[in-house]
Amino acid sequence: DTGVSQDPRHKITKRGQNVTFRCDPISEHNRLYWYRQTLGQGPEFLTYFQNEAQLEKSRLLSDRFSAERPKGSFSTLEIQRTEQGDSAMYLCASSADTHNQPQHFGDGTRLSIL
Amino acid sequence: AQKITQTQPGMFVQEKEAVTLDCTYDTSDPSYGLFWYKQPSSGEMIFLIYQGSYDQQNATEGRYSLNFQKARKSANLVISASQLGDSAMYFCAMMGYALNFGKGTSLLVTP
Repeated sequence: DTGVSQDPRHKITKRGQNVTFRCDPISEHNRLYWYRQTLGQGPEFLTYFQNEAQLEKSRLLSDRFSAERPKGSFSTLEIQRTEQGDSAMYLCASSADTHNQPQHFGDGTRLSIL
Repeated sequence: AQKITQTQPGMFVQEKEAVTLDCTYDTSDPSYGLFWYKQPSSGEMIFLIYQGSYDQQNATEGRYSLNFQKARKSANLVISASQLGDSAMYFCAMMGYALNFGKGTSLLVTP
């Protein structure tokens, strides 16, 4: 069990640029979640996958955001035309596909928009 | 809709003392799960303890225990024998199709 891995740890980019983050979940976990956390707040749900199927998306996930999990393993989160308000920590978590299993989180990707 | 409320923005406790972090929740679901996570300054979210709504006993994990009062809709985290390394943000969360987090409580353990 190597844990949930996220890459990169930090991303600094100019407003208007596109960014892509990657998440590698715990290998036997079917469920994968993306959250966003801003300073002083708890994480907020963005989207989740069961295997390769994206089952839920938050209203926070505007049309500039897209997430994929093409083979049911790793996932990517892309933000197009970044805005200042996108600056946050993006957290990925995975869990087993049984009721109320704890989610295990990666270390997150901190995005800063200049 | 689910809602998690953590009313204590910050708490102090002296090393080796016990501390209780409050969490109240609201849901119309008869079956639900409640989680507590710890987030140190380094940023990672660490799972601490889980309580199911139908569990007969309060959950315990080492120095962590959950004071679950279903009628009051509260799920307070009790940390016994606090250590300096317990200083962190603590989040209460409820599971829907994803975790719904409270705003967190910052705990500072002093020598």
